Amino acid sequence: DQQVKQNSPSLSVQEGRISILNCDYTNSMFDYFLWYKKYPAEGPTFLISISSIKDKNEDGRFTVFLNKSAKHLSLHIVPSQPGDSAVYFCAASAGNQFYFGTGTSLTVIP
Amino acid sequence: NAGVTQTPKFRVLKTGQSMTLLCAQDMNHEYMYWYRQDPGMGLRLIHYSVGEGTTAKGEVPDGYNVSRLKKQNFLLGLESAAPSQTSVYFCASSPMFLGDTQYFGPGTRLTVL
Repeated sequence: DQQVKQNSPSLSVQEGRISILNCDYTNSMFDYFLWYKKYPAEGPTFLISISSIKDKNEDGRFTVFLNKSAKHLSLHIVPSQPGDSAVYFCAASAGNQFYFGTGTSLTVIP
Repeated sequence: NAGVTQTPKFRVLKTGQSMTLLCAQDMNHEYMYWYRQDPGMGLRLIHYSVGEGTTAKGEVPDGYNVSRLKKQNFLLGLESAAPSQTSVYFCASSPMFLGDTQYFGPGTRLTVL
């Protein structure tokens, strides 16, 4: 049973617009959430994270929002750039549990 | 500073053959992980290690064994490969446990015929 879900396998956005990637989880014990970015033929790289005690974390063009009551987090990229085209994975952890989502492939159209 | 390296990059096995994937990190990280990535399944944790000489099962450990004899190396073994183990395997390391930032290797593409 998938504990971390990314229901949109793909997303296309025009350059300069906002990209919103969504992630849902089922385990209310998760207390730390991360987003990773992956280019083809490379390993994932860390992008941004958020603790469950916060509802927002910002780093440059990237902002992660956490809605604990809805068990939902989202990653906003503003403005989107062609170099942002990649697969984005959310991840969640609690103690000795750690799960990745299934990934969303983002394409930013120039 | 190489970060996390994986050997080999590609491998083709026949059903029933065995092999070992090697992961090495030069960041002095305590924690190391092995994942597999399959289409539509994301990254799934196979095994992990919280320090030299330790190993623990992840989400999908069956059919794999691991060893962490040295802090910088984490080996993933397949004793009798099956077609279901065709996948891309990623190794990662982190200074602290699972919630901390993990640094990934470039991956090993394994095909089992």
